[in-house]
Amino acid sequence: AQTVTQSQPEMSVQEAETVTLSCTYDTSENNYYLFWYKQPPSRQMILVIRQEAYKQQNATENRFSVNFQKAAKSFSLKISDSQLGDTAMYFCAFMKPYSGNTPLVFGKGTRLSVIA
Amino acid sequence: EPEVTQTPSHQVTQMGQEVILRCVPISNHLYFYWYRQILGQKVEFLVSFYNNEISEKSEIFDDQFSVERPDGSNFTLKIRSTKLEDSAMYFCASRNRGGTGDNEQFFGPGTRLTVL
Repeated sequence: AQTVTQSQPEMSVQEAETVTLSCTYDTSENNYYLFWYKQPPSRQMILVIRQEAYKQQNATENRFSVNFQKAAKSFSLKISDSQLGDTAMYFCAFMKPYSGNTPLVFGKGTRLSVIA
Repeated sequence: EPEVTQTPSHQVTQMGQEVILRCVPISNHLYFYWYRQILGQKVEFLVSFYNNEISEKSEIFDDQFSVERPDGSNFTLKIRSTKLEDSAMYFCASRNRGGTGDNEQFFGPGTRLTVL
């Protein structure tokens, strides 16, 4: 079974600074998908960024980027120019190769606080 | 922008009672999911649903749980006889037809279930 580990329960960062959230996972699959979801206090889960394992290039979405190390099974999220609105729980998630109804496997989350 | 909706936002029930949590997925989506998040813990997969039948379910999804898509728009989760440990946030999610570039699950805002 796949597992996802987020070793940082809580982190804080000053506004405008950069922060990196770590995530490791365990799988025997070669192709898979990785995601970072944001859950603000409103509790809505919002997709931040995704990475396909067969792509070597790290995904980027504006201020958000990932460092995907397939051999190390590591998938960290970097948030640049942190904003107060980035304050949220961040969940790393894994999905097996596409079969249409494959569920997401989540880590325990990292609570990020952006401080003014 | 289309979104997944869930009702009610908060449900309080007595132990042993039946509850039905409702979700309206995004209209052209074909794959549907229920997840739950016990307070302070990670998001856990319950069940996936496609073509009017369960595709996959977790160990949590025992005989007390059932899902239904009664009218082509709603997607419901029924808990037959609630237990204290069913208290959690329940998230519905939906996904489009699938494919290597279309693997995002869109989440609803959740229903907080409190069992007394």
